[in-house]
Amino acid sequence: QQPVQSPQAVILREGEDAVINCSSSKALYSVHWYRQKHGEAPVFLMILLKGGEQKGHDKISASFNEKKQQSSLYLTASQLSYSGTYFCGTGGYTSGTYKYIFGTGTRLKVLA
Amino acid sequence: DSGVTQTPKHLITATGQRVTLRCSPRSGDLSVYWYQQSLDQGLQFLIQYYNGEERAKGNILERFSAQQFPDLHSELNLSSLELGDSALYFCASSVGGEDTEAFFGQGTRLTVV
Repeated sequence: QQPVQSPQAVILREGEDAVINCSSSKALYSVHWYRQKHGEAPVFLMILLKGGEQKGHDKISASFNEKKQQSSLYLTASQLSYSGTYFCGTGGYTSGTYKYIFGTGTRLKVLA
Repeated sequence: DSGVTQTPKHLITATGQRVTLRCSPRSGDLSVYWYQQSLDQGLQFLIQYYNGEERAKGNILERFSAQQFPDLHSELNLSSLELGDSALYFCASSVGGEDTEAFFGQGTRLTVV
């Protein structure tokens, strides 16, 4: 079952904050976050492992609530370079096999 | 430049044909991942190899197969191609096994006509 991301799309002004959510119906071992700009390959942002930790670098951080099977990505004081599509990828076992499943994606556009 | 090299960049082929996509991971990376990205399906994980062994498997079709060679490069073989296989195929590599930072190549755009 594909994780559901919300919102599907968001438009921000430079300097505004945004939160992108990722919800799964399956038990999760990990959550990965990626950003993909149009016509380019995805770029890794961070991984969160079981344990409810929060990670971050620069003005982008994320949390992982394994009980709720949810993760959130926090973008603070957004910059033009933050524009792109954000994907969460969830890691977990299905029928004894480890799999990664990507979310539906959130398109984010930052305006000057 | 992520350090991951994929060839070819573009491929156009006819239905029913077979193609091979190649991926050279970053120096020192032991894991290679393959992904398919299409407009209607989004980003789909296909398969992961770690140091030559299959490590994780997604919803990879039986017509598709992959392997990782002793020099750690990987190939994705797609056979009996259908129009719906047209997509961008990404390879990524990482140092470790599951749940480690992955670096993506620029992708191979496959068009099946």
